Amino acid sequence: DGGITQSPKYLFRKEGQNVTLSCEQNLNHDAMYWYRQDPGQGLRLIYYSQIVNDFQKGDIAEGYSVSREKKESFPLTVTSAQKNPTAFYLCATVDTSGANVLTFGAGSRLTVL
Amino acid sequence: GQQLNQSPQSMFIQEGEDVSMNCTSSSIFNTWLWYKQDPGEGPVLLIALYKAGELTSNGRLTAQFGITRKDSFLNISASIPSDVGIYFCAGRLFGNEKLTFGTGTRLTIIP
Repeated sequence: DGGITQSPKYLFRKEGQNVTLSCEQNLNHDAMYWYRQDPGQGLRLIYYSQIVNDFQKGDIAEGYSVSREKKESFPLTVTSAQKNPTAFYLCATVDTSGANVLTFGAGSRLTVL
Repeated sequence: GQQLNQSPQSMFIQEGEDVSMNCTSSSIFNTWLWYKQDPGEGPVLLIALYKAGELTSNGRLTAQFGITRKDSFLNISASIPSDVGIYFCAGRLFGNEKLTFGTGTRLTIIP
């Protein structure tokens, strides 16, 4: 099945710990994105990558880091510098040679205890 | 970052009713997208619009790309229980690859 796999689905973290959220895709899409979703707000862009070994900051990149060593993978690390990390995190891909629309994974919910 | 003005924020309707929601922006967009999100899941694309004035249907859903390029509308006819969820609009500015999202419309069907 072609798609986007995010893991884990639920993650609990103590304050001061770094955590890494996984995003893997087998859609062969070049571009990958990370969004954060909070209740009552739209999706806010954290980081995006249009090609392997390259990525750009989005609107709320502070306290987050990413890597893009493989086309299929775009992990997001939520660092201890992120002041309010409890949120729903969504990974998405874009087929830039096709319809140019976002396809989302099922999301990961991070809760800081 | 810019966000779109999406309204209404929430709707409470009875099964069988029609639904209308819209998004407006102060900027001109060259793409409008409408997504639906079920609780605890990622958004799923419903309709994509690429031309001003375009009217596109997907089953009971119809969306339009406003003539001014600054707004878009989504209508759902004869609502059913599985229509419950949050609907998001998203727009892409000319010359910008990033999408801007609305704040969502939460649809609830009253028994």
